Amino acid sequence: ELKVEQNPLFLSMQEGKNYTIYCNYSTTSDRLYWYRQDPGKSLESLFVLLSNGAVKQEGRLMASLDTKARLSTLHITAAVHDLSATYFCAVDLDGTSGSRLTFGEGTQLTVNP
Amino acid sequence: EAGVVQSPRYKIIEKKQPVAFWCNPISGHNTLYWYRQNLGQGPELLIRYENEEAVDDSQLPKDRFSAERLKGVDSTLKIQPAELGDSAVYLCASSLVWREQFFGPGTRLTVL
Repeated sequence: ELKVEQNPLFLSMQEGKNYTIYCNYSTTSDRLYWYRQDPGKSLESLFVLLSNGAVKQEGRLMASLDTKARLSTLHITAAVHDLSATYFCAVDLDGTSGSRLTFGEGTQLTVNP
Repeated sequence: EAGVVQSPRYKIIEKKQPVAFWCNPISGHNTLYWYRQNLGQGPELLIRYENEEAVDDSQLPKDRFSAERLKGVDSTLKIQPAELGDSAVYLCASSLVWREQFFGPGTRLTVL
């Protein structure tokens, strides 16, 4: 059974600081997604990582994937208040039966002025 | 382009009552998913459709949950009878085969 673990689960940081959220998973896969969820809202796709060594950047967020270590990171640079949200990583099982996302528990990020 | 549409957005029912949720996926997306998201957790897959065929329903509690996607487009998820533990957000998502999933706004269910 695939397990996806994120840490930290809660992160409070000051504006302007940098931090990294980690996503570890237990089974071979080379397809990983990062989503953002605002309170009471649905999930917004941030990054799609489809191969070992993939790195994607959008604004102050950068995501990477190391399939050999079964690890993805979401790095936040110079945080701003608007980044406050819950961030989920989701791993797609590497199988022949089609897409099946398994989500982490989420990291609740609060950026304080 | 319209996103995934779900209705209703909110539903409050008494336990043992039936409830149904509706989803209209993004046009052209042949794969449709239903997820349940409990408070403070990530979504969990309930069922996945490829066109009108349910190809992954291993996590669907079949004693009380049912789903259908008769024409390979819209889908309905039903719970009968609802239990207190069914209170959650029910999310619908759609994608092309093996591609990125796009999520709808969800239906927040409260069972009293």
